[in-house]
Amino acid sequence: DTAVSQTPKYLVTQMGNDKSIKCEQNLGHDTMYWYKQDSKKFLKIMFSYNNKELIINETVPNRFSPKSPDKAHLNLHINSLELGDSAVYFCASSRQGAYNSPLHFGNGTRLTVT
Amino acid sequence: AQTVTQSQPEMSVQEAETVTLSCTYDTSESDYYLFWYKQPPSRQMILVIRQEAYKQQNATENRFSVNFQKAAKSFSLKISDSQLGDAAMYFCAYRSAGYSGGGADGLTFGKGTHLIIQP
Repeated sequence: DTAVSQTPKYLVTQMGNDKSIKCEQNLGHDTMYWYKQDSKKFLKIMFSYNNKELIINETVPNRFSPKSPDKAHLNLHINSLELGDSAVYFCASSRQGAYNSPLHFGNGTRLTVT
Repeated sequence: AQTVTQSQPEMSVQEAETVTLSCTYDTSESDYYLFWYKQPPSRQMILVIRQEAYKQQNATENRFSVNFQKAAKSFSLKISDSQLGDAAMYFCAYRSAGYSGGGADGLTFGKGTHLIIQP
């Protein structure tokens, strides 16, 4: 049973297209996140949601729009894809208020924009 | 804002030897949590070990242990009896224990250390 699952695992698309990445967690967590890992492996938070409410929205182009239909899902939609959007995107979840609790990560989606 | 620094982009160790990965962080908070994550080539993010800042005792998990120096803001990871399966990127991460947003601020990561195990 996968705790945090992302689909697709790989995504190859052309510049200008719109794409979505889906994320689901079955851990009963209240908080979900999107992280971006660049080509140098640096992990940076993009968004976080707590009980479907947007909490963190880092300096991310507004072409990126997260959507949380319920506590267990946090999808990422990207409009007008650019070459610089190529990266690995990780979804993660954690228990609300449990600061000593680690984040549980999905296996990542490698996005390649050509 | 908190920052996490891993000053060793790459480390190499012989199998069965011991290696220490460095991590320092900058924060004005007194209560926080620190983590080490491992990312093998499979891309999975795997929790290795965690440390609560209010605990003086260093955390240990089997062959993995930390040296937590709160005053120096240092949190190094020691891997004993290194095994081939330990080869991976290792990330140090900081989590605030602040109560705004219910912990939704997530983790702040260092840039990682690539650990190579020589057979």
